[in-house]
Amino acid sequence: AQKVTQAQTEISVVEKEDVTLDCVYETRDTTYYLFWYKQPPSGELVFLIRRNSFDEQNEISGRYSWNFQKSTSSFNFTITASQVVDSAVYFCALSGRPGGGADGLTFGKGTHLIIQP
Amino acid sequence: DAGVTQSPTHLIKTRGQQVTLRCSPKSGHDTVSWYQQALGQGPQFIFQYYEEEERQRGNFPDRFSGHQFPNYSSELNVNALLLGDSALYLCASSLPLGHDTGELFFGEGSRLTVL
Repeated sequence: AQKVTQAQTEISVVEKEDVTLDCVYETRDTTYYLFWYKQPPSGELVFLIRRNSFDEQNEISGRYSWNFQKSTSSFNFTITASQVVDSAVYFCALSGRPGGGADGLTFGKGTHLIIQP
Repeated sequence: DAGVTQSPTHLIKTRGQQVTLRCSPKSGHDTVSWYQQALGQGPQFIFQYYEEEERQRGNFPDRFSGHQFPNYSSELNVNALLLGDSALYLCASSLPLGHDTGELFFGEGSRLTVL
């Protein structure tokens, strides 16, 4: 069975601070895919990134960066110089197939990120 | 280009009633998945539809059923509603197999309250 743990229920920081959201996963699959989604108050989940289990290179996209470490089964997400617009609930997810496939995605419980002005 | 649209946005039902939720996928997408998100929780996979058939189902009882139409839109039906069915129901669409980039496009959801 697959499992995703986001131990941080809520994080509150002041604007311009850096913040890291933790994600730890469990799977028996040798090939798997990790995702991060953002959920603003409007409700829809917005795709941020997908990572393959065989590609451990870290990725940077603007102020966002992701650190994938297979040895610790972690896929952490860092926002540099946070902004108020980054306030949302962030979900880490896991799947055995690229787009979730027929088995869908397994989501963590999410981390509510609050950026204070 | 319209994204994933869901209706209704909010609805209130009483225990024992039945509900139908609707979803139109993003243009060019042929696969639709449904997720249930209880308050303060992450979404949970209900099932996925492709070519008008249910491909896979998560850990949900048979009270949850669905349908996909030839135009790829989809319905989620829940019978004999329980208080615990109160949740945000999210629909997600994705590209056809072989063109899958790994990105699911989600709608804003239908908020169901069961009293």
